[in-house]
Formats: sequence, C-alpha cells, structure tokens
Amino acid sequence: DAGVIQSPRHEVTEMGQEVTLRCKPISGHNSLFWYRQTMMRGLELLIYFNNNVPIDDSGMPEDRFSAKMPNASFSTLKIQPSEPRDSAVYFCASSPLVVTGGPYGYTFGSGTRLTVV
Amino acid sequence: GENVEQHPSTLSVQEGDSAVIKCTYSDSASNYFPWYKQELGKRPQLIIDIRSNVGEKKDQRIAVTLNKTAKHFSLHITETQPEDSAVYFCAASSRGRDNFNKFYFGSGTKLNVKP
Repeated sequence: DAGVIQSPRHEVTEMGQEVTLRCKPISGHNSLFWYRQTMMRGLELLIYFNNNVPIDDSGMPEDRFSAKMPNASFSTLKIQPSEPRDSAVYFCASSPLVVTGGPYGYTFGSGTRLTVV
Repeated sequence: GENVEQHPSTLSVQEGDSAVIKCTYSDSASNYFPWYKQELGKRPQLIIDIRSNVGEKKDQRIAVTLNKTAKHFSLHITETQPEDSAVYFCAASSRGRDNFNKFYFGSGTKLNVKP
C-alpha cells in the first residue's frame, strides 16, 4: 500500500486566492482526519470523517475552511479566501474504523506545506 | 473533552542514556494511548501504543507504561541514539459514542540526543 497520499506537497499562493488540498486515505480505512500543524499551536484537529460522514468539525477555524469526502478514497480541504495566518503544514491521516477492539493509531500523509503571501 | 498534557517540552540527553517523556490525561474513560515520532520535516509516525487493559508494553528500546489510577502514561527510550532525535507526541482517545477514535494530542517533546 502506498500509504496516505496528499497533494500538493508544497503550495505557495497569494492572499485571497482559493487553495485546495487533497488526500487519498489508505484503502480500507474508514476514518479520515485533517490536521494543521504550526509551531505555536502544535497539531490541531480541523475535521474528521467516519464512513465519509463528517463527525466533528469543531476545529475548523472559520467559514473560510471547508472539507468534503465525496467517497471513501478521496477528501479535500479548501480555504477560500486564503490569508497569511493560514500558512502551516496540513496533514491528512486515516485509520481503520473498528468499534469493538479499537481504536487504532492513525497513519499520517506526508503533509502539504502551505505558504500564503 | 479530554485534556492531554505532556512534559518536558524539550529534553536533551547524551547518547546511550535513557529518556523519559510523561503525559497526563483528564478523562478516566480514555482507553487507547498512542505515541508518535516526528522527525524534522516529516510526518508523525506511530511508534508504540498501549490500551487501558495493559500496564506496560515494550518494543526493543522503546517502552510505554500506563497508570490508570493516576491517569498518566510515559514513554521510555533506552540506549538512546542520535537517530532518536525528533519530536514525540503522546495522545489519548476520546470515548464518545460516535467519536471514539478521535485522539487528543499532547503538545510534543523535542528530544535531542547528543553524540
């Protein structure tokens, strides 16, 4: 398995532009998580999905952020409009959804380093 | 929700010495505690985990202990090597009916192993 695949690896955009980050979870993993990592705030959970359904989006900073999971193998995180304070590394992670005997640890993707200038 | 605190924030040890990182959690119902290692510029990677029905787990030079009564768990690295230098994160699972696989992460410990 190729693991959790994120694209792009790096994104530099101008303030006000729309940014879309993409994630392909490990096949068979029914849970998908979007995290943001900065020096100041560490790892922040933005939103996560179980079986393609958003379970908790309380970490989404504001309405400029949105996330979708149209099917089990693809998710997007969109920022519109982007601002310099959105600059961070965005990680996607997935895990098996096992109610009895679980949970299990996440597998993280390589991340997208976003720079908004 | 759960609150996970991690100490110390930085730790410097001499190669060959042991390193211990400690975490506390607030929700006595949390039942799964993973540890992640993140090397500079890379993704966090799961290195060991423990469930609440076990007090200790070991994997070569790495061990994790759990004290459910005191609500704390620790990562122990023995015979440290320069390649152990990284940021380590602890986490605790939620116990909600629908969000049982939501993890609460500690703030991280930067471990520096000096050759």
